[in-house]
Amino acid sequence: ETGVTQSPTHLIKTRGQQVTLRCSSQSGHNTVSWYQQALGQGPQFIFQYYREEENGRGNFPPRFSGLQFPNYSSELNVNALELDDSALYLCASSPVVWGYNEQFFGPGTRLTVL
Amino acid sequence: QKEVEQDPGPLSVPEGAIVSLNCTYSNSAFQYFMWYRQYSRKGPELLMYTYSSGNKEDGRFTAQVDKSSKYISLFIRDSQPSDSATYLCAMSGAGNQFYFGTGTSLTVIP
Repeated sequence: ETGVTQSPTHLIKTRGQQVTLRCSSQSGHNTVSWYQQALGQGPQFIFQYYREEENGRGNFPPRFSGLQFPNYSSELNVNALELDDSALYLCASSPVVWGYNEQFFGPGTRLTVL
Repeated sequence: QKEVEQDPGPLSVPEGAIVSLNCTYSNSAFQYFMWYRQYSRKGPELLMYTYSSGNKEDGRFTAQVDKSSKYISLFIRDSQPSDSATYLCAMSGAGNQFYFGTGTSLTVIP
């Protein structure tokens, strides 16, 4: 069974640019959640996708957007990058969306904004 | 006020010590309580999961939840150097959106 994978591993961008991060969910999982983890902080929920629809969003501005594809892989897009967007971006997949289901995390993409 | 509060540490203990990690929370709708371990430059991995109040034991790890006090704990017995990591508490309600604490950095000294 393949776990959650994310690409790229590291990324360096400059202020104002746009970035796309990718996530492949674990086999059989139809729900993907994205988290932002700043240095020394816990992960903060960005949004969740279930069957290609956004299903819940945290306190992040609209320049953070996402997609989920029919194979349940997902993208996180961030426009107009700011210095504070520098963080580890984590993707987590789970088998269903209701109640508690273990979320399996990928290794993350480390984004640096200069 | 943050929904989940966790002492960031760092915490340094000798090998074999008992470690106690704690979180408090404010949202009474939380029903599911998790502890994750995160090694440097890795994603979090689930250690323990508890539903509602009570205790749960798994090997050297014990998770406790007191919903009346909005307080959860993780105890690690006979700590090992391999336990050195950041420990994150996480909570959720019905919607499977996880709220994480800041994380506590633990170092177990041989």
